[in-house]
Amino acid sequence: DTGVSQDPRHKITKRGQNVTFRCDPISEHNRLYWYRQTLGQGPEFLTYFQNEAQLEKSRLLSDRFSAERPKGSFSTLEIQRTEQGDSAMYLCASGIWGREDPLAYEQYFGPGTRLTVT
Amino acid sequence: AQSVTQPDIHITVSEGASLELRCNYSYGATPYLFWYVQSPGQGLQLLLKYFSGDTLVQGIKGFEAEFKRSQSSFNLRKPSVHWSDAAEYFCAVADNNAGNMLTFGGGTRLMVKP
Repeated sequence: DTGVSQDPRHKITKRGQNVTFRCDPISEHNRLYWYRQTLGQGPEFLTYFQNEAQLEKSRLLSDRFSAERPKGSFSTLEIQRTEQGDSAMYLCASGIWGREDPLAYEQYFGPGTRLTVT
Repeated sequence: AQSVTQPDIHITVSEGASLELRCNYSYGATPYLFWYVQSPGQGLQLLLKYFSGDTLVQGIKGFEAEFKRSQSSFNLRKPSVHWSDAAEYFCAVADNNAGNMLTFGGGTRLMVKP
């Protein structure tokens, strides 16, 4: 199966520690998105990449959050100095961007990484 | 700013009964609308989408949705619910001026009674 994969699936960390999550998109997809989902809520957009360029990062929740996609393939999301309020599911999605492509607005989600900060 | 409202947090239906999940959106231009389903421990799966054209769209698993511009709604329907449909359902609108980022509603949890 060549769907979106995320690693790890679960992460428990102590407050103040740094964590990094990885997302591998569908191979031909040039767009990659990160979302956060807290319990009982819908996902909330954080940032996105087109190839290796991060085109929107103003929605990252604080300067403790950063993301990279160095070669335009996999991406990492890092949270520094974690706080209990960072506990959530972090979802990655990928999609195709092409101005005339009818699939350009579809996003395919991975299973998520559930972060628990103790 | 765009927004999506799903008025029903929980819905319980009997297996075999019909289903309608409500979604209202706020968006300044022509909306691109989606319904996703999320089962416990799983990511979101796309059920169906509306971009333009026919306002009644068909999706996977027997779901359909109707776009009503006058009511700013995009309600999801299924004529006969199966126990395996129990899950959380999210309506979303894409912002095509911001990389197609999705704004989601708060979700509706569907429970199916045998």
